[in-house]
Amino acid sequence: KAGVTQTPRYLIKTRGQQVTLSCSPISGHRSVSWYQQTPGQGLQFLFEYFSETQRNKGNFPGRFSGRQFSNSRSEMNVSTLELGDSALYLCASSLYSGSGNTIYFGEGSWLTVV
Amino acid sequence: AQRVTQPEKLLSVFKGAPVELKCNYSYSGSPELFWYVQYSRQRLQLLLRHISRESIKGFTADLNKGETSFHLKKPFAQEEDSAMYYCALVPSTLGRLYFGRGTQLTVWP
Repeated sequence: KAGVTQTPRYLIKTRGQQVTLSCSPISGHRSVSWYQQTPGQGLQFLFEYFSETQRNKGNFPGRFSGRQFSNSRSEMNVSTLELGDSALYLCASSLYSGSGNTIYFGEGSWLTVV
Repeated sequence: AQRVTQPEKLLSVFKGAPVELKCNYSYSGSPELFWYVQYSRQRLQLLLRHISRESIKGFTADLNKGETSFHLKKPFAQEEDSAMYYCALVPSTLGRLYFGRGTQLTVWP
């Protein structure tokens, strides 16, 4: 069974540019959430999607956006990149069943803004 | 509001010693609690879910609703346990995790 796949794994962008990150969840998982991980702030929640609808959104500026497609794949976009956006962006795929939530993470996309 | 607190940012023990990583939470309902582990430059890996009551790699965690705690324990630490450990909470049926700040565990030989 394939795990959570994130692409690209590494990327370098220049300030002011935009970036799109992709996440393919585990087959059958309909919920996808995104987190930003930095040494100073730890793991911060960006947003969560379920069946193409955004259910939750964290405290990030409007430059951060996302969407989910009908096949549950998700993308997140960051526009007008700033140096502080340099981070590891993690995608998590989850399935809720009678035994609760099972949540797995991808390897992440390392974004460096220069 | 939901909150997860891991009071120790750093924890060091010697190989073979018991280890306990503390986690306290605040949530008005019945949350699901998780422990995730992140080895150096690797993905976050699910270690334990309180619902399944498993023992993974010798680690156990018991949910104490009275003390609102979900401490992670291992009786004999190994060097390969050195990693960052995150306690997390999911409210109800939502898939969103609320993370603690993490505890960096170092096991010395």
